[in-house]
Amino acid sequence: QPVLTQSSSASASLGSSVKLTCTLSSGHNTYIIAWHQQQPGKAPRYLMNLEGSGSYNKGSGIPDRFSGSISGADRYLTISNLQSEDEADYYCETWDTNTRVFGGGTKLTVL
Amino acid sequence: EVQLVESGGGLVQPGGSLRLSCAASAFTFSSYAMIWVRQAPGKGLDWVSAITPTGDSTYYADSVKGRFTIFRDNSKNTLYLQMNSLRVEDTAVYYCAKLASGSYSVSWGQGTLVTVSS
Repeated sequence: QPVLTQSSSASASLGSSVKLTCTLSSGHNTYIIAWHQQQPGKAPRYLMNLEGSGSYNKGSGIPDRFSGSISGADRYLTISNLQSEDEADYYCETWDTNTRVFGGGTKLTVL
Repeated sequence: EVQLVESGGGLVQPGGSLRLSCAASAFTFSSYAMIWVRQAPGKGLDWVSAITPTGDSTYYADSVKGRFTIFRDNSKNTLYLQMNSLRVEDTAVYYCAKLASGSYSVSWGQGTLVTVSS
């Protein structure tokens, strides 16, 4: 089954950009993933799905500041013009027959 | 707008049982696979179980297999999670989520807290 690896933390300044990474395990680098945001004390919110081709589709109401890209087994979430409300935990998700996995999450701090 | 509202959480002793519900609205519930995901205090998201739109197939994480049962009542637009033989390590906020065409989670509920403690 696939495994998703994320850095535990990241930080960037208000108004700048940050690129978060989710790495698929060996043999799974064509898998589609989804990115989710979880603000402090809130439920997760779906941001986008990201296909093996590099194309992505965002959820309803997700600002243009959020975008996705890929390189090999790496799946990226880029947030531009960082706002204070972007400070949150970010999780990637994928699935396989009979199972579903989440990455360990990246805690983003906006400085 | 899609709404998923969980209920049924609470404090239960180790070895006890609890049934969670997830009431769905604003979409054709019977057309979508659904999942349960949990989050232990201060930890990440952990998939628990999944069910197909008709309920004919169910899937479980190894950690809950044989103890938890996922089922649904499409006539009531409600998803359930029956949790038996609860352990301290089952303590978490439990979220239900709607899947897009059986793939990724696209809508989440607000969660319900389950605390297993003596």
